[in-house]
Amino acid sequence: QVQLVESGGGVVQPGRSLRLSCAASGFTFSRTGMHWVRQAPGKGLEWVAVISYDGSDKYYADSVKGRFTISRDNSKNTLYLQMNSLRAEDTAVYYCAKDRSVPIIDHWGQGTLVTVSS
Amino acid sequence: QSALTQPASVSGSPGQSITISCTGTSSDVGGYNYVSWYQQHPGKAPKLMIYDVSDRPSGVSDRFSGSKSGNTASLTISGLLAEDEADYYCCSYTSSSTRVFGTGTKVTVL
Repeated sequence: QVQLVESGGGVVQPGRSLRLSCAASGFTFSRTGMHWVRQAPGKGLEWVAVISYDGSDKYYADSVKGRFTISRDNSKNTLYLQMNSLRAEDTAVYYCAKDRSVPIIDHWGQGTLVTVSS
Repeated sequence: QSALTQPASVSGSPGQSITISCTGTSSDVGGYNYVSWYQQHPGKAPKLMIYDVSDRPSGVSDRFSGSKSGNTASLTISGLLAEDEADYYCCSYTSSSTRVFGTGTKVTVL
């Protein structure tokens, strides 16, 4: 079955960087678009970024554009999110999620918590 | 990239039907049939309940149904059960190839 396991979360100071990883299994990762979605404490879901199956296309939410970079390593079945210039408002649970064969998110990981605080 | 608009809360008694609306624009909900709905219980990851406006994934109860008219999508839960109490989010593909989520609706079973 599909498994998405995020890692790399933690407490980081404002202005610093952090890289999240998502290990995927149970589906053909190299043929699947992948997303990052976040949820601030007590708030709703916010879409962050998407990357195409081969990494050639990447799109970002305005709130993270220029600061976050989504990437993937299909040889390792792993998705990444490089987060730079972190702000307090980036504090959230970050979920890794996959697309169906069409642009619909169908499976989610359990999330990793990122806290930006001095 | 404004969030899609959902009611903050909807409630109903066991056995009743409720409907949650999700309003966007012609650049997202109104422009594509890539609308999905997710159920999220506290402390858990979201779960896909409806995709492509009205299709149900395998294993999702047929008490859940979806529809769309113009720029507004809707999720209906019929025969409300206590286990349906959760937060629900809509999501749409957009003309910028991004995705946008709804503001979320808390469903309470009275």
